[in-house]
Amino acid sequence: KNQVEQSPQSLIILEGKNCTLQCNYTVSPFSNLRWYKQDTGRGPVSLTIMTFSENTKSNGRYTATLDADTKQSSLHITASQLSDSASYICVVSSTDSWGKLQFGAGTQVVVTP
Amino acid sequence: GAGVSQSPSNKVTEKGKDVELRCDPISGHTALYWYRQSLGQGLEFLIYFQGNSAPDKSGLPSDRFSAERTGGSVSTLTIQRTQQEDSAVYLCASSPRGGAVVYGYTFGSGTRLTVV
Repeated sequence: KNQVEQSPQSLIILEGKNCTLQCNYTVSPFSNLRWYKQDTGRGPVSLTIMTFSENTKSNGRYTATLDADTKQSSLHITASQLSDSASYICVVSSTDSWGKLQFGAGTQVVVTP
Repeated sequence: GAGVSQSPSNKVTEKGKDVELRCDPISGHTALYWYRQSLGQGLEFLIYFQGNSAPDKSGLPSDRFSAERTGGSVSTLTIQRTQQEDSAVYLCASSPRGGAVVYGYTFGSGTRLTVV
């Protein structure tokens, strides 16, 4: 079973609108959680990284939240732009394993004019 | 270089042929990772190199897959006798030390492998 579940699988939003992506995880012991943006044909690019003690982190129009008690994270995109169209991947790491990060399957976001 | 470079960007091969995928990590990054991303799936860990230590090969799906890293820099992922289920995007990432947990990765753009 995947230890990182993302929802929705895909999302279509109008330019200028806001949206929120969800990530639930079971990885333990928890070290940190990252959100990546992956444009089509490109490698993932890090947006935010949060450790256990952080519950919110912003990067421009992207704001990530983390509830380590419920093991949930969200990524909020404000005032979406066409360039936000991409796959957003939630990645969780454990203090037990350096290389074996747990990746969600991603949420495909399409921003339409 | 400024980023992680992978080549080729696209590779189409016939079933049963061998392929080699190359990764040039960021200069000075001692940790290098290979991941595989199949259509609609999350990233799957394949192998991890850290400096001169023995690599963590626990993610390699079969003995047809192998990887090496020469001189602590360039890495080559080799897939022998390719099968159609090997079709995927193969991503390489590097980090300054083994502490990707703290320092984070930089990913390459990937090699899209299609086995026909």
